[in-house]
Amino acid sequence: GDSVTQMEGPVTLSEEAFLTINCTYTATGYPSLFWYVQYPGEGLQLLLKATKADDKGSNKGFEATYRKETTSFHLEKGSVQVSDSAVYFCALGNAGGTSYGKLTFGQGTILTVHP
Amino acid sequence: DAGITQSPRHKVTETGTPVTLRCHQTENHRYMYWYRQDPGHGLRLIHYSYGVKDTDKGEVSDGYSVSRSKTEDFLLTLESATSSQTSVYFCAISDTPGQGASKNIQYFGAGTRLSVL
Repeated sequence: GDSVTQMEGPVTLSEEAFLTINCTYTATGYPSLFWYVQYPGEGLQLLLKATKADDKGSNKGFEATYRKETTSFHLEKGSVQVSDSAVYFCALGNAGGTSYGKLTFGQGTILTVHP
Repeated sequence: DAGITQSPRHKVTETGTPVTLRCHQTENHRYMYWYRQDPGHGLRLIHYSYGVKDTDKGEVSDGYSVSRSKTEDFLLTLESATSSQTSVYFCAISDTPGQGASKNIQYFGAGTRLSVL
């Protein structure tokens, strides 16, 4: 079945540092890939998405490229801010058959950014 | 923000009691989902619905049941709560999965924190 593996956290960075959170997946067909972010005490929000190979999703300075050859969707940001402190989830959605829009999530990576 | 309301937001209950969590949406989306979030496990799907009265099990459905009598409401019931069901529960909605640029995007409620003592 489908699965998503994220790098283990927590990740602690200083403000303005470069961020990478690794995500790899196993799936049949041609899944869509997502990064969701969860701020303390809140639900998940869509951060960015990519629906086919070589697509780059971007939002709020974050980027991720759908790499089919390496089955990866790594999240990057060039300069993190304290306000980026949150939990980040990589997710996969398979549109085929009877998937009913279900998503498979990674275990989440806690990011803490210090001033 | 998607119009999704979860109630209650916090609940403390005792082992063996029934508990019902409610998810209400104002977006008229067809698909609704219940997840639980636990440290080290990410989000795990409990049950989902693909229409009124149409529901199915997710990966961690044991001990849970759901009902959807109206498009806007999706109820999650713990028939007899156990301490292992202490968790944060999230509802999500989706519109027309598998089509176009919006395919598979889910929108989440704020969550319900449940403690079973």
